[in-house]
Amino acid sequence: QQQVKQSPQSLIVQKGGISIINCAYENTAFDYFPWYQQFPGKGPALLIAIRPDVSEKKEGRFTISFNKSAKQFSLHIMDSQPGDSATYFCAAKKSSGDKLTFGTGTRLAVRP
Amino acid sequence: DTEVTQTPKHLVMGMTNKKSLKCEQHMGHRAMYWYKQKAKKPPELMFVYSYEKLSINESVPSRFSPECPNSSLLNLHLHALQPEDSALYLCASSQGSSGGAYNEQFFGPGTRLTVL
Repeated sequence: QQQVKQSPQSLIVQKGGISIINCAYENTAFDYFPWYQQFPGKGPALLIAIRPDVSEKKEGRFTISFNKSAKQFSLHIMDSQPGDSATYFCAAKKSSGDKLTFGTGTRLAVRP
Repeated sequence: DTEVTQTPKHLVMGMTNKKSLKCEQHMGHRAMYWYKQKAKKPPELMFVYSYEKLSINESVPSRFSPECPNSSLLNLHLHALQPEDSALYLCASSQGSSGGAYNEQFFGPGTRLTVL
């Protein structure tokens, strides 16, 4: 019940295209869903996060869509750029807790 | 200051060596974390310190020994490691579970550890 499933494992998108990464969770006690971006040799950086009381959150070119009934959430990267090429991890946790449960990661490559 | 710093950036050690990893934050956070990350995998939680007390140990072997000297500093002491312990070791910090909001975790750049 602690798993977060993430897909696809890897993604290739042309510059200017839309990148979409999907995650699904099982534990209904999770109430905080962050996305992290990680470049090679660097630590994960918090990109954007959502709570289950909203269905969508947008920050610049990054949008999280959240479907509470389906227990799914996704990251959309609009107008994808080569500089977005990185590994993206979804995660989930109870807001009151310390333990983050990570998805397995998606390696995104944006071709010029 | 909104960053978590880690030293050293790279560390190569033999199986009989003793070394330490260091982590520092000046965001006033009260929870600090150690994670281990293998290539192409997500970070795996090792330890959590909350208000300078060890609150979570994810059944980590005793050759890894954490220490939290104060609320800004976190160390990870390494002794008699195995080659399979080679990984990126990440430190993170957050306000702490009693700090309200969503207790977001902020990660440092990591220490790349190689055990020969």
